[in-house]
Amino acid sequence: AQSVTQLGSHVSVSEGALVLLRCNYSSSVPPYLFWYVQYPNQGLQLLLKYTSAATLVKGINGFEAEFKKSETSFHLTKPSAHMSDAAEYFCAVSDLRNNFNKFYFGSGTKLNVKP
Amino acid sequence: DADVTQTPRNRITKTGKRIMLECSQTKGHDRMYWYRQDPGLGLRLIYYSFDVKDINKGEISDGYSVSRQAQAKFSLSLESAIPNQTALYFCATSQDGSPPNEQYFGPGTRLTVT
Repeated sequence: AQSVTQLGSHVSVSEGALVLLRCNYSSSVPPYLFWYVQYPNQGLQLLLKYTSAATLVKGINGFEAEFKKSETSFHLTKPSAHMSDAAEYFCAVSDLRNNFNKFYFGSGTKLNVKP
Repeated sequence: DADVTQTPRNRITKTGKRIMLECSQTKGHDRMYWYRQDPGLGLRLIYYSFDVKDINKGEISDGYSVSRQAQAKFSLSLESAIPNQTALYFCATSQDGSPPNEQYFGPGTRLTVT
């Protein structure tokens, strides 16, 4: 079965510091991977997605993620955190086994940005 | 106006009551989904639908039912609410496609069952 693991339910960084949010997936077929962000009292919105075109994916708000098949990872990074980045981040995977019908979400990582 | 809307946004109900959560979308997408979000568990799929005549169970469908009244409307019902159905519920839509297209989420419905 597919699964997504996000290591660290809470991550705290200082403003201006590197942001690294981890996502590992399990899938026996090529996966398609997504990062979503959820601001307080809002629904999720897409940050970026990997659909096999390029392993380094750039998203909105300066975020990017790199697909590493050998490590089954799709970690999210941002070089310099901003206070407005404080939110919860979810990694999700879909693949051909379910005809891309379903998306499986990780448990989420809450990012706190300290001034 | 928001592309995916959910009503109500907040609801408190008692154990044993029937409750319906509604979702409407103006994106023209065929695919619609219902998820519940619990702290530390992420989002779990309850039901999904690819058109009016196509309804599928997700991972946690027990205790829930759905109705796809039109392409734009997808409702979630709790026939007899219980306290462990207290959660944040999200509706989402996506466009058909391979590779898969991203999902668009509504603002959520916070449901409390007492």
